[in-house]
Amino acid sequence: DVKVTQSSRYLVKRTGEKVFLECVQDMDHENMFWYRQDPGLGLRLIYFSYDVKMKEKGDIPEGYSVSREKKERFSLILESASTNQTSMYLCASRPGDNNQPQHFGDGTRLSIL
Amino acid sequence: LAKTTQPISMDSYEGQEVNITCSHNNIATNDYITWYQQFPSQGPRFIIQGYKTKVTNEVASLFIPADRKSSTLSLPRVSLSDTAVYYCLVGGVNTGFQKLVFGTGTRLLVSP
Repeated sequence: DVKVTQSSRYLVKRTGEKVFLECVQDMDHENMFWYRQDPGLGLRLIYFSYDVKMKEKGDIPEGYSVSREKKERFSLILESASTNQTSMYLCASRPGDNNQPQHFGDGTRLSIL
Repeated sequence: LAKTTQPISMDSYEGQEVNITCSHNNIATNDYITWYQQFPSQGPRFIIQGYKTKVTNEVASLFIPADRKSSTLSLPRVSLSDTAVYYCLVGGVNTGFQKLVFGTGTRLLVSP
């Protein structure tokens, strides 16, 4: 069974802090994704990566960056956290085959004070 | 990317069959249709995926008409534990990666 693990379920940080959200998958998947989920807006794609050190902007990349130094790990970085980045963050992974579904972690609920 | 439209919410009772329809009028030739289920405080869970006609697994069935501009997720004999948000997505196949656009989903409430 695919396992996508996000390092924290709940996180509280302060405005202006640099925040790291970590995601690890154990299925050797090529593709990894970061989404945020907000009430009434559904899931919105922030960044995705289709290989080690490769990344592409999603729909809402502003204020975020990502890092993929190893295939199994995909990190989301909030360079200078702001209150409007308070959200549920979801990581997903999938194989490189284009008709395979994404598998999600259980999310990190991040609060920026 | 194809946009999807689903009902915001649906109500049902235990033991009934539930059908959730999704519109995707501008679906592309290579797009697959995928459905996810999400419980509170959890990530979305893959339910079923199809390209055309009918797909069935141990959890649900997916009906896709010939024009592929809509699809219907069918949940047979729902139980209280099927109360969740259901997302319909369409995604490209031959783009080197599969970028999916999530809509706001359908909130299904199953009552005793």
